[in-house]
Amino acid sequence: QKEVEQNSGPLSVPEGAIASLNCTYSDRGSQSFFWYRQYSGKSPELIMFIYSNGDKEDGRFTAQLNKASQYVSLLIRDSQPSDSATYLCAVTRGRRALTFGSGTRLQVQP
Amino acid sequence: EPEVTQTPSHQVTQMGQEVILRCVPISNHLYFYWYRQILGQKVEFLVSFYNNEISEKSEIFDDQFSVERPDGSNFTLKIRSTKLEDSAMYFCASSDRQGDYGYTFGSGTRLTVV
Repeated sequence: QKEVEQNSGPLSVPEGAIASLNCTYSDRGSQSFFWYRQYSGKSPELIMFIYSNGDKEDGRFTAQLNKASQYVSLLIRDSQPSDSATYLCAVTRGRRALTFGSGTRLQVQP
Repeated sequence: EPEVTQTPSHQVTQMGQEVILRCVPISNHLYFYWYRQILGQKVEFLVSFYNNEISEKSEIFDDQFSVERPDGSNFTLKIRSTKLEDSAMYFCASSDRQGDYGYTFGSGTRLTVV
């Protein structure tokens, strides 16, 4: 069973702080890693993807990948109340469909 | 910005009835997917579709489910005989490459089986 694990939260951070969201995966052959944001009652929205070990930055978001540790994280700098949502980690390899984690609920306190 | 369109947004059906959920993927996308999300649970993969055939399916996608691309724009999910446990949000997604840059999801159809 290929699993993607996330802490369900909620993770509560004050406005302006850095939010750190973590994800581990069991399939060592995973090649592509994605972070999606899902507001309550809405569909997942792609934030960013990462393929290589290291960091990838896009605006206030940084994805970090460590394949040896089977670990991927998402940092959100200068967190805003509008960032309050559930963040979904998804992984895949080869031609396979994305496998999602259960998500971490983030609450940004004004 | 291009989007994936799903209809209806909400469907209520009686147990044992057939339902068809409809999706219009982004026009230049070639890969199509159905996922579902039971309330409070994770997004679960059902099936992927490419070149007019199923390319991958999960254990959830049993004989009561089928997919079809009846024309050049629509992509449908049929559930033949609905059960109470089929109640969920069903998301259609599409991608231009095989998920290399992630999928674009539709807004979903909330299916309620009573």
